[in-house]
Amino acid sequence: EVQLVESGGGLVQPGASLKLSCVASGFTFSDYWMSWVRQTPGKTMEWIGDIKYDGSYTNYAPSLKNRFTISRDNAKSTLYLQMSNVRSEDTATYYCTRAGVFAYWGQGTLVTVSS
Amino acid sequence: DVVLTQTPVSLLISLGGQASISCRSSQSLVHSNGNTYLHWYLQKPGQSPQLLIYQVSNRFSGIPDRFSGSGSGTDFTLKISRVEPEDLGVYYCLQRTHNPWTFGGGTKLELK
Repeated sequence: EVQLVESGGGLVQPGASLKLSCVASGFTFSDYWMSWVRQTPGKTMEWIGDIKYDGSYTNYAPSLKNRFTISRDNAKSTLYLQMSNVRSEDTATYYCTRAGVFAYWGQGTLVTVSS
Repeated sequence: DVVLTQTPVSLLISLGGQASISCRSSQSLVHSNGNTYLHWYLQKPGQSPQLLIYQVSNRFSGIPDRFSGSGSGTDFTLKISRVEPEDLGVYYCLQRTHNPWTFGGGTKLELK
């Protein structure tokens, strides 16, 4: 069974940095592109970016690429999202998903940006 | 960026009834390779989104045939026949033809 488990969310101050993780199981992680998607409190869905199966290529939403960095550790079957200089509008639930048709999603981790 | 407009925003349906959700794109979703990367998801209350339909009309594994997708170019429709209680939630369309990938605003399906 495919499982994706995100962690690392919480309350963070504006301007701070935060790193989210997503541990994958039930499939060969190193064979798949992976993605991050977020959902705002108002339920708007926004794609953040993708990373190639070997980590050699990333693709970001233009509005986020200067502050967000996606990486992966295939030995640990783990996907990461490094967020920097966070803003109040980054408050959202962050999901990792297997790229392509987004067939599998984690349960999400909530990030709240507030002073 | 491609804008996906979903209508209606909310839908009141009786159990056993039929629901139809539209997803209209600001530009054609036909990729240069001839495929159309328009997918549909359901987010049940308190849960993560789940894939229902991929590439316009293909049901994902385990999705009942009460769910069907159709359309082409810029106009797409998700139909749910014989609505059951577990069908309630918010439906989203997603396009992965044009970078950046974008979602529709969602359609909330509720019981009448």
